[in-house]
Amino acid sequence: AIQMTQSPSSLSASVGDSVTITCRASQGVRNDVGWYQQKPGKAPKLLIFAGSLLQPGVPSRFSGGGFDTDFTLTISSLQPEDFATYYCLQDYNRPYTFGQGTELVIK
Amino acid sequence: QLQESGPGLVRPSETLSLTCTVSGGSIDTGDYYWAWIRQPPGKGLEWIGSVYYDGSNYSSPSLKGRVNVAVDTSKGQIFLTMTSVTAADTAVYYCARQGQGAYFDPWGQGTLVGVSS
Repeated sequence: AIQMTQSPSSLSASVGDSVTITCRASQGVRNDVGWYQQKPGKAPKLLIFAGSLLQPGVPSRFSGGGFDTDFTLTISSLQPEDFATYYCLQDYNRPYTFGQGTELVIK
Repeated sequence: QLQESGPGLVRPSETLSLTCTVSGGSIDTGDYYWAWIRQPPGKGLEWIGSVYYDGSNYSSPSLKGRVNVAVDTSKGQIFLTMTSVTAADTAVYYCARQGQGAYFDPWGQGTLVGVSS
C-alpha cells in the first residue's frame, strides 16, 4: 500500500498567519491527491482534489500543489474557522490511503 | 445528501451491517463510485471499500476479505457488510460519493458503531 506521510502532525499558528502542510507519498501518485478538513464530531470536508483543484465553495485562501510524490496544502491568512485537522488522501492505487493528519491549533 | 444508518452496537464475532441512503441525486449516473470510510475514536481515516452502480466493488486488503460493499440503485442505497468484527472495528463509519482525483464529496454525517459484548 502507498503510504502518505504528512507533516507536521501538529501545527500552532495565529489568525492571519499563512501555513503549509506537506504530504509525501511512498511512490508516485501523479496528481491523484485530495485534501480534507475535519472538525471535531463532523465528517471530513473536501477542500482540494486532483492535487490543486479548489472544490467550489471553498475559500480561495486554501490552495494545493504538487505532483508525483510531494504535495502541499497552503492556507493563507488563517481565519478562526480554519483551526481543525487536515488530511491528505491518495486514490492513485488501491487501497486508497490517508495521511495521519495535521492538527492546526490556535497559538 | 448521504445518510448512514445501522445498529450502534455489535457483538464481537458477529456481522456489522450498515446502509447509506442517497437523496437528491441518482446513484447510477456512472460518473461516481460510492465509498465507505471509517475513523476509530481519536484516530485517523481509513478507506474500507467502494462500489459502482453496476455492483462492481473492491475493498481494502487490510480487512482480509471480511468486507462486502453492495448497491441497490432502485432504493438509492449503498451497503456495507463486515463479518467477524472485533473491538478494533469500533469506529465512526462514513459513506461518501467518490470521483476522480481523490474526490470524496459529499460525505454522510457518520454513524458510530461500537463492538462489545
